[in-house]
Amino acid sequence: AQSVTQPDIHITVSEGASLELRCNYSYGATPYLFWYVQSPGQGLQLLLKYFSGDTLVQGIKGFEAEFKRSQSSFNLRKPSVHWSDAAEYFCAVGAPVTGGGNKLTFGTGTQLKVEL
Amino acid sequence: GAVVSQHPSWVICKSGTSVKIECRSLDFQATTMFWYRQFPKQSLMLMATSNEGSKATYEQGVEKDKFLINHASLTLSTLTVTSAHPEDSSFYICSAKRQGGTDTQYFGPGTRLTVL
Repeated sequence: AQSVTQPDIHITVSEGASLELRCNYSYGATPYLFWYVQSPGQGLQLLLKYFSGDTLVQGIKGFEAEFKRSQSSFNLRKPSVHWSDAAEYFCAVGAPVTGGGNKLTFGTGTQLKVEL
Repeated sequence: GAVVSQHPSWVICKSGTSVKIECRSLDFQATTMFWYRQFPKQSLMLMATSNEGSKATYEQGVEKDKFLINHASLTLSTLTVTSAHPEDSSFYICSAKRQGGTDTQYFGPGTRLTVL
């Protein structure tokens, strides 16, 4: 069965500082990997995804993530954090389902706080 | 584009009553919709996967007679919590995959259910 571990429950960074959110996964085949952001009152928004190909994935809002098969990791990074980035971040691994789409298994999330 | 709505956004009900939550894809047709449950400070747990016109596939441990899912059209899926009890109080989130689109899921804003 697939699983996702986000070891950091809370992270606080200063605005303008760099950010790295950790994600480790367990999956028997080549994983489909996702990062989502959840803001209060809003639905989860997809930041980026990895299916295959280039292991460094660029996403929206200046985020990127690197797939490292040897480490079973898919860490999310941003070179300079903005106050509006404060939110909950979820890493997920997907398994294809009949009819299309992926059955997502989420990590427990990392709450990001940005200090001004 | 790719907006998913949920109605209601929050609901309070008495123990023993049934509650219906709607999930709509507003600007696209969704062949597959997913229902998740999120407890406070915890991750999203997939409850079931529904394909239009067929029975939902429930995850292990989810009572299909208690959580009735109907996906009657390509733009609407409903989750009915039958004979709700306080332990059913949670945040319920749906997502939808666009018909013929990529594997990206678009998430609704969630429904907060409180059972008294």
